[in-house]
This record gives sequence, C-alpha cells and structure tokens, in this order.
Amino acid sequence: NAGVMQNPRHLVRRRGQEARLRCSPMKGHSHVYWYRQLPEEGLKFMVYLQKENIIDESGMPKERFSAEFPKEGPSILRIQQVVRGDSAAYFCASSPVTARPTPGAGANVLTFGAGSRLTVL
Amino acid sequence: DQQVKQNSPSLSVQEGRISILNCDYTNSMFDYFLWYKKYPAEGPTFLISISSIKDKNEDGRFTVFLNKSAKHLSLHIVPSQPGDSAVYFCAASDGTVTTSGTYKYIFGTGTRLKVLA
Repeated sequence: NAGVMQNPRHLVRRRGQEARLRCSPMKGHSHVYWYRQLPEEGLKFMVYLQKENIIDESGMPKERFSAEFPKEGPSILRIQQVVRGDSAAYFCASSPVTARPTPGAGANVLTFGAGSRLTVL
Repeated sequence: DQQVKQNSPSLSVQEGRISILNCDYTNSMFDYFLWYKKYPAEGPTFLISISSIKDKNEDGRFTVFLNKSAKHLSLHIVPSQPGDSAVYFCAASDGTVTTSGTYKYIFGTGTRLKVLA
C-alpha cells in the first residue's frame, strides 16, 4: 500500500532549463496538492488538482509554472526556464474524494510525499 | 498576507518537560485544523487534527487546543522526547467550498522544536 510517491527526489537544473516533477497519489486518492518550501520558510500552497481538472491554482506563479493531473499517470508540476529563485523543496500531497472529515473527527486529510528538491545552478 | 501564523520560529525544551507550540489564524471561516511534523529531507507527516466544533483533541502525548474567539490553537507535547525534535506546521482549511466539494489547506511557516536530552 504505497504512499504518495514523488520523483525525482533530487533534481539539478541550469538556469533556463525546464524542470518536471512527478507525483503519484495514494491509491484511492483522486486529489493532488502541490506545496513549495523555500529555504527557511513554511509550506506555500501552489495548486490543487483532481483528475483532468485544476481546482485552485491561486498559489502558482503566473509565468513559467504549470501543473496537470491527467486521466492516466502522475500529476506533473512543470517549471519552464528555471531561475535560481526556483530552488526549493516541492511537496505533493493527496487526499481522498472528500477532504472534509466528519465534524469532530480527528482525521488526517492530507498525505504528503517525501518531496522533490530542485536546485538551480 | 499570512493567514496562518506561527510566530515562534524555534523552541528548545528539556526532555520530559512540556512543549507548547502556538499557531494563530486570521480567517474566522477556518474550521478544521491540522498539525504536521517534518524531519529534515522527509515529507510532513500527520500528527493530530481538530474541528471547530471541539476545543480539545488528545492523542497519546499530543493534545491540540483550539480557542475560536482568540483564533488561536496550540499543540502540547508531554512528556517531550528527543525524537520529537522536528519542524511542526499547523494548517487550516480555508472553508471555501470548491466545485468538487473539497478544500485547500493553508500552512503556517513552522516552528522548529529541539528537545534536549
């Protein structure tokens, strides 16, 4: 029963190259979240997707960043023409269909992957 | 605009004593809260959660308290152990219902806890 799988774990790119980060959600989870953690900062929400649909991309930079979650295959976060400021750890989390627990229940709703660390030289 | 704030970037506590990690939020619509623990080079792992219809939830050594009027929650760890040394994030559901009926979660900046042996 694999958890959330992210790859690659480490990615090095030169300025101007493209970075592609992949995330396979937990079995039975149909929603994927991407978060970015910059050095010495917290987890910043980027985008929230379900299969073939972007639900909320309010945290995504307007340029160079895109995300998809196709009907088949993993979710992909794509960063074009990377710059040094894109160096960060990118975390993916998945949730079941209803990420809304029963009131009063102390349940987990987000399961995170181990992250992909992007270094831009 | 930081809607979820963890104002203490770090905290050191002696082993066996109580650790108290604080979290403040600004959006009164937030109604479900999560705490995650993160070790270096690993993803965050779920610790405990609480819904706004409660003011306390307990799980072993971990207790979360919610004060809705103050828009404040805290995580108590007692007794603290060296293995608890990690970064702790609080997160809140922003209460906005998406078209699919699900929610996004806003995270704080984290507090690094160090438990001294």
